[in-house]
Order: sequence, then C-alpha cells, then structure tokens
Amino acid sequence: TQLLEQSPQFLSIQEGENLTVYCNSSSVFSSLQWYRQEPGEGPVLLVTVVTGGEVKKLKRLTFQFGDARKDSSLHITAAQPGDTGLYLCAEDGGSQGNLIFGKGTKLSVKP
Amino acid sequence: EAQVTQNPRYLITVTGKKLTVTCSQNMNHEYMSWYRQDPGLGLRQIYYSMNVEVTDKGDVPEGYKVSRKEKRNFPLILESPSPNQTSLYFCASSPQLGPYGYTFGSGTRLTVV
Repeated sequence: TQLLEQSPQFLSIQEGENLTVYCNSSSVFSSLQWYRQEPGEGPVLLVTVVTGGEVKKLKRLTFQFGDARKDSSLHITAAQPGDTGLYLCAEDGGSQGNLIFGKGTKLSVKP
Repeated sequence: EAQVTQNPRYLITVTGKKLTVTCSQNMNHEYMSWYRQDPGLGLRQIYYSMNVEVTDKGDVPEGYKVSRKEKRNFPLILESPSPNQTSLYFCASSPQLGPYGYTFGSGTRLTVV
C-alpha cells in the first residue's frame, strides 16, 4: 500500500502570509487530489492533478504536481482566516478502488 | 443541489446493538465508499462499491457490512458495534473509478459505549 507523507503536520500563521504544504510518496502517483476539511465536516475537493509538471490555480491557491509524479505541493498566497482547515492529499488507488489519504496538514490562519 | 446525505449526524449507542448509517447520493454516481476518520490515523476506507450489487472490502472492513441494492443508496451496517468502532464516518461518491474527485457527506459521529 502506497503511503502519502504530508508536511508540515501543523502550521499556524498570520493573515496575509504565504505558505506551502507538501505531499510526497515513494511511488509514482496515478493522479492526485487535494481536499480541504473543516472540523466536523466532510472533505471538499479542491483540485485533481493528473499530468507530471502540471500546475493548477484556484484563486489564491496554486497546486503543483511534480515532474516525476511522486510529489505535489499546495501554495496559498496571502492566507486568510477562511483558509483555516485540514488540507488532505489523496491518491486514486486505481483498480483497487481505494482513495488513499495522507494524514493532512492542519492550517490555522490568525487574523 | 448535488450532494451526499448521511443520517444520522450523531449517534450514541450501546455495545452489541445493531445499527445502520444511511448514505444517499443524487448525482447518479456509480462509485460509493465508506471511510472512518480517527485522530492520528487519518481517513481509512471501510468498504466500497463500483456499481449496483458490486461491493468490496477496503482497508478496515472488520465489524462492518454494506449493501448496494440501488445506485443512490449505500448503507453501512454495524451488526454488533463495539467501542473500538467509535469514530467519525464519511460516505463518499464519485462518477466512476478514476481521477474524478469524490463528493463527501457531512459525516456521522458514532459513539459506542
């Protein structure tokens, strides 16, 4: 079973700062998804990346898929308190039908 | 509104008393799945279904049952709940297997005493 390592585990920053969180694996990803989860709620899909080297932007969020498809990053510009939450990366397990999640980065943005 | 609906949101029960958590999606998705989320362990898949009448075990299936008689519904059954099944449970659906992204329900917080 492929393991997804996310770093950092926790991140506390002030409003307006920039940040980057990472998702890494020892194996090649078939595709990678990023989710954001608020306390007591289900994860909400932010983006799916499929092609090595791919970059996708969602307002202040920039997602990058490594060229070798073994790592991904999420960069947030000018963070806001509304960005607070648990950021999860997940890999599609292919024919096994299993979406494999990392343990997440818990982000807190203070006003 | 496209959504996955789970019920109940909160449930406290006693050891051994059978219970069912319902899950329904209105997006005509083929793929549905159940996850449990525990501190320090993250999200782990319990069971999944690729289509009607097709179900299979995920990573932590012990103590759970599922059924998929209709495309929209995928209930999770605990025949004899135990305290180690106390957890936050999520149902999710996707159009099909592949890089399509999942839609999650709002969760069911289960406590077994």
